[in-house]
Amino acid sequence: QKEVEQDPGPLSVPEGAIVSLNCTYSNSAFQYFMWYRQYSRKGPELLMYTYSSGNKEDGRFTAQVDKSSKYISLFIRDSQPSDSATYLCAMSELAEYGNKLVFGAGTILRVKS
Amino acid sequence: GAVVSQHPSRVICKSGTSVKIECRSLDFQATTMFWYRQFPKQSLMLMATSNEGSKATYEQGVEKDKFLINHASLTLSTLTVTSAHPEDSSFYICSATPSGGARETQYFGPGTRLLVL
Repeated sequence: QKEVEQDPGPLSVPEGAIVSLNCTYSNSAFQYFMWYRQYSRKGPELLMYTYSSGNKEDGRFTAQVDKSSKYISLFIRDSQPSDSATYLCAMSELAEYGNKLVFGAGTILRVKS
Repeated sequence: GAVVSQHPSRVICKSGTSVKIECRSLDFQATTMFWYRQFPKQSLMLMATSNEGSKATYEQGVEKDKFLINHASLTLSTLTVTSAHPEDSSFYICSATPSGGARETQYFGPGTRLLVL
């Protein structure tokens, strides 16, 4: 079993839809949870990060963490064609210098206009 | 802010040659940098953790003599793929964690695409 499970998709939605992306994990020591967006042939771009459980909102993006269920989500409201990309969840344990990230496989999102 | 660059963006080389990839944090200092490899349609796999002024820590299965890492300053880390072979062809991405900042986050470079013929 992988430490982080993420459905690779692809997920196709019409423009304006609400998108829900999810990851599950098995390591209860994970404390930091991140979502990255990666366009084709580019490096990942940090979208959101949260510490421990709870919700965090930034514009059209909302990140949720449920540590009791070992489940994290990223919601995208009013999705746009420019949101089409691969979304990677990542998580790490508490460490003093530069936490090592464990990534999910990434979900390919396609927003159709 | 938090910009990380990589050079070159793409390199094609012959089998048996060595290739050096640079990773720079442009607007912040990074005590720690990470090197990842990503194969097509797969996620990022951590290769090694690079700490300024000390030896890199390699992940299990990554040959330290083949993938040489040097983190000589707080803004530069280099990865040298020695005696490259076609199976080393991949997308190499570095990331950096700001010193004294939010150490749990990493900012990624744009990646270097290596093709070994």
